[in-house]
Amino acid sequence: GAGVSQSPSNKVTEKGKDVELRCDPISGHTALYWYRQSLGQGLEFLIYFQGNSAPDKSGLPSDRFSAERTGGSVSTLTIQRTQQEDSAVYLCASRRPAGQQETQYFGPGTRLLVL
Amino acid sequence: SQQGEEDPQALSIQEGENATMNCSYKTSINNLQWYRQNSGRGLVHLILIRSNEREKHSGRLRVTLDTSKKSSSLLITASRAADTASYFCATDLSTSYGKLTFGQGTILTVHP
Repeated sequence: GAGVSQSPSNKVTEKGKDVELRCDPISGHTALYWYRQSLGQGLEFLIYFQGNSAPDKSGLPSDRFSAERTGGSVSTLTIQRTQQEDSAVYLCASRRPAGQQETQYFGPGTRLLVL
Repeated sequence: SQQGEEDPQALSIQEGENATMNCSYKTSINNLQWYRQNSGRGLVHLILIRSNEREKHSGRLRVTLDTSKKSSSLLITASRAADTASYFCATDLSTSYGKLTFGQGTILTVHP
């Protein structure tokens, strides 16, 4: 079946502009995660959605970052007033609802470059 | 600091040799997962080992988990050039409902 998809694959933007990154999880996966991978920081958790529960936003680095998940499926990560340090690969993952001990499946990522 | 620390940071071997990567962590876990990443893009899930398991196999992969030492190892046997990639361990903490914490990764190069 189809895996996790993300768009765009690459995004180049100017400092100060807003960007939106999209994630389509695997059908039936109720848990959705956003991670960021940047040089020198490794892979870091950003935000977690589970069904209709309030999201865990504990990993968002600043209030310029926000995310939503509409209808329990597609998620959008928005970065406002982008800064050069926001340049990174943004990865989305989804997981089945059958408990905690389940594999997360990752999308190909969006490579963001802020000039 | 990172929950998962991996060593070595880089490993270079010849095709046919075995590759061993280690991961240490600090707090109680539900499970530990290993991922592979090619060319800095999407992560491919390799294997998941639960906290009550000690060893798991999948093809040429063997993973061990020692919860008393808070460490895990990934062994790739009979390596191939196609195994060249970055390998990450990720811990699913007892208190974090699936939120993964990643190590810095090991860059594996397999020479043909």
